[in-house]
Amino acid sequence: EAGVAQSPRYKIIEKRQSVAFWCNPISGHATLYWYQQILGQGPKLLIQFQNNGVVDDSQLPKDRFSAERLKGVDSTLKIQPAKLEDSAVYLCASSYLKLGLAGTYEQYFGPGTRLTVT
Amino acid sequence: AQRVTQPEKLLSVFKGAPVELKCNYSYSGSPELFWYVQYSRQRLQLLLRHISRESIKGFTADLNKGETSFHLKKPFAQEEDSAMYYCAPNKETSGSRLTFGEGTQLTVNP
Repeated sequence: EAGVAQSPRYKIIEKRQSVAFWCNPISGHATLYWYQQILGQGPKLLIQFQNNGVVDDSQLPKDRFSAERLKGVDSTLKIQPAKLEDSAVYLCASSYLKLGLAGTYEQYFGPGTRLTVT
Repeated sequence: AQRVTQPEKLLSVFKGAPVELKCNYSYSGSPELFWYVQYSRQRLQLLLRHISRESIKGFTADLNKGETSFHLKKPFAQEEDSAMYYCAPNKETSGSRLTFGEGTQLTVNP
């Protein structure tokens, strides 16, 4: 089974520029997550999709961050304009969704995109 | 507020020694709890979850609701256990929203 794919792997931009990250989840996974991991911290959830709908975006800085998952498969995360504090690794993860049952499915993570804002 | 705390950022032990990575949480209700691990140059991956009550790679974790802890233990550490370990409770009402701790970097010395 192919894993979660992300691109690019590395990106360096200047502050106030824009950047976009792409994620392709594991086939059949209805739920997709974007996390931000700042150096020395654990991953922080930015947004969670179920198919192409947003389930949770409470921690997404909506003034500069946006994300979409138009066809319920691939997703893009955009930052516009970037700030120095956005320097981090951006992780994409996916999992199965099983309606009506309790319990949480394992999240499968991509390799991440390391963003440096100068 | 819901929080998860991993008090040790760094933990160093010798091969064959017991190891315990601590995790404390403050969540209402009964969250599910997970340990995720990231080995050097590899992706973040699930190590174990409390509801499965299984031992993975010799690691176990017991949920102590009284102390609100979910410590990860292994009786005899191996060099290949060196990695970053994250404790991650799940909000019971959300279905699948994990909150990661800040992580503990475990180094097992030969």
